[in-house]
Amino acid sequence: LAKTTQPISMDSYEGQEVNITCSHNNIATNDYITWYQQFPSQGPRFIIQGYKTKVTNEVASLFIPADRKSSTLSLPRVSLSDTAVYYCLVGAFTGGGNKLTFGTGTQLKVEL
Amino acid sequence: GAGVSQSPRYKVAKRGQDVALRCDPISGHVSLFWYQQALGQGPEFLTYFQNEAQLDKSGLPSDRFFAERPEGSVSTLKIQRTQQEDSAVYLCASSLVKQETQYFGPGTRLLVL
Repeated sequence: LAKTTQPISMDSYEGQEVNITCSHNNIATNDYITWYQQFPSQGPRFIIQGYKTKVTNEVASLFIPADRKSSTLSLPRVSLSDTAVYYCLVGAFTGGGNKLTFGTGTQLKVEL
Repeated sequence: GAGVSQSPRYKVAKRGQDVALRCDPISGHVSLFWYQQALGQGPEFLTYFQNEAQLDKSGLPSDRFFAERPEGSVSTLKIQRTQQEDSAVYLCASSLVKQETQYFGPGTRLLVL
């Protein structure tokens, strides 16, 4: 499975846009990029998934350049409740049974 | 609708004691996963079930760890002769067989003294 590298921590203020970049230099052709969010004392929660270019949903956008060796999770107008750990995962999703490989994640802290 | 539930939420065990952790997946979800999360780390895969079949147990750290899902729904992770290094949060996740999103439960925090 492709190894991912992301910043250990980031700080932001309410109302700002936050971009968290993940490096995955040895991503394979059939690998997808997925981001999870985890609050203290809770299990991880799926945020967004993409393969190439740009994906947007109601909570975030995911930007993937053409070489796919990195990706950026963009959170628009963060609030205090976005304080959490964000995990970037890379792996092939070919059906049920695909175990997830998490790194140490990025601790995002949002302040007033 | 109900999500993945786990019980107990917290468990304190004396070293050498056996523990059993329960996971109730989302109804109809065929795939079920167990992960172990140490403090300050991301979750690590332990084992995977498709219905009642345990198809992957490559992440179980030792033969003291045993998981079952006898009727293809509720699953139990059992740890025999607990050691201090077993202290962690144990997460359960489930997914539909043809969908990749895994839905996680809140976890069971195990502390072995």
